Amino acid sequence: EADIYQTPRYLVIGTGKKITLECSQTMGHDKMYWYQQDPGMELHLIHYSYGVNSTEKGDLSSESTVSRIRTEHFPLTLESARPSHTSQYLCASTGTVGTQYFGPGTRLTVL
Amino acid sequence: GQSLEQPSEVTAVEGAIVQMNCTYQTSGFYGLSWYQQHDGGAPTFLSYNALDGLEETGRFSSFLSRSDSYGYLLLQELQMKDSASYFCAVREDQNFVFGPGTRLSVLP
Repeated sequence: EADIYQTPRYLVIGTGKKITLECSQTMGHDKMYWYQQDPGMELHLIHYSYGVNSTEKGDLSSESTVSRIRTEHFPLTLESARPSHTSQYLCASTGTVGTQYFGPGTRLTVL
Repeated sequence: GQSLEQPSEVTAVEGAIVQMNCTYQTSGFYGLSWYQQHDGGAPTFLSYNALDGLEETGRFSSFLSRSDSYGYLLLQELQMKDSASYFCAVREDQNFVFGPGTRLSVLP
């Protein structure tokens, strides 16, 4: 059973607000990822981390930042939310080679 | 460039067998994973192939041919609960590139 958590599960905010999406895992995994997924569409990599103090940008990283101060925690921050950010955000960590465990996701709506 | 192709939709009846294909073109390749995602839910891991051949886990089997840049997921004894989207994903060293997904509808 994968133990990876995301909060909030749902969020509705206004344009221009700064928000942080939380992700935590209790499995001790070094590698963690953030994906963006629109309904019925593929996953797009936003950011990833190979361990503490390691962060890298993915294909869709503009306007967001991440930090990895602790192994278990990998928050994603949108500095100024826009309606184009409306989507589902999925956090994942990698355990056994080839296996990614996903959190339940955060559904973000920007008005 | 990187690209993965999957059929957009597949429909089958309960009890049948269905095969969902995935072809890929990526800069690196370490293995092919399969994930299931129900509407409104998060992807869950099904299988991973690093070497050519067939891997079987219960009703699910996954196949890989690296020379053909091709893989498939086979579901047997289909059940209504198998209705979901199925994504293939290529592992490129530490990262994963996901395909567009195949939406499977299982009819009674």
